[in-house]
Amino acid sequence: NAGVTQTPKFQVLKTGQSMTLQCAQDMNHNSMYWYRQDPGMGLRLIYYSASEGTTDKGEVPNGYNVSRLNKREFSLRLESAAPSQTSVYFCASSNLAGGTDTQYFGPGTRLTVL
Amino acid sequence: GESVGLHLPTLSVQEGDNSIINCAYSNSASDYFIWYKQESGKGPQFIIDIRSNMDKRQGQRVTVLLNKTVKHLSLQIAATQPGDSAVYFCAENGRSNYQLIWGAGTKLIIKP
Repeated sequence: NAGVTQTPKFQVLKTGQSMTLQCAQDMNHNSMYWYRQDPGMGLRLIYYSASEGTTDKGEVPNGYNVSRLNKREFSLRLESAAPSQTSVYFCASSNLAGGTDTQYFGPGTRLTVL
Repeated sequence: GESVGLHLPTLSVQEGDNSIINCAYSNSASDYFIWYKQESGKGPQFIIDIRSNMDKRQGQRVTVLLNKTVKHLSLQIAATQPGDSAVYFCAENGRSNYQLIWGAGTKLIIKP
């Protein structure tokens, strides 16, 4: 099992450009999450999907959109990138609700917005 | 607001000694707590979790202690090894079944 995979690993964007970060899990988990991690800080939740077909805002959703494409895949889209969105983005999944069950993380996407 | 904080941002420990990483939480409604290890350039890796109906839980070389009276969580690593070098995060679930509240992390440095 690959666990949680993310693409791309690195990305550089110019201000105003758009892009989609891809995430897939092969553990048949119900819930999936997108986090951002800024230097020297903990993770902050952007959006989550409790189950296939549902998405909800987390702590810092502004400037992002998500799509739960199917049970395996959960994508994060930046419609108009801003320098403040320079960060490392992590996708995670859990079988049960992530506040009561272990979340498993992908390797991250390192995004720089110029 | 709700927060999870750490007492020490950096902890240096001699190889072979035990490490204790502390964490304070502020939300008395939290009933699930979890520790993650993050190595440089990697995603967080699950270490151990504990629910509020327990005071202590042990894993392989790790023990988590929960003191609900003072809202304190600690991670003990026995016989610290070079591979334990990482940033350690604690997190709590606050009032949510889906959202974890993360601390800023403690960097563990192992001295040879």
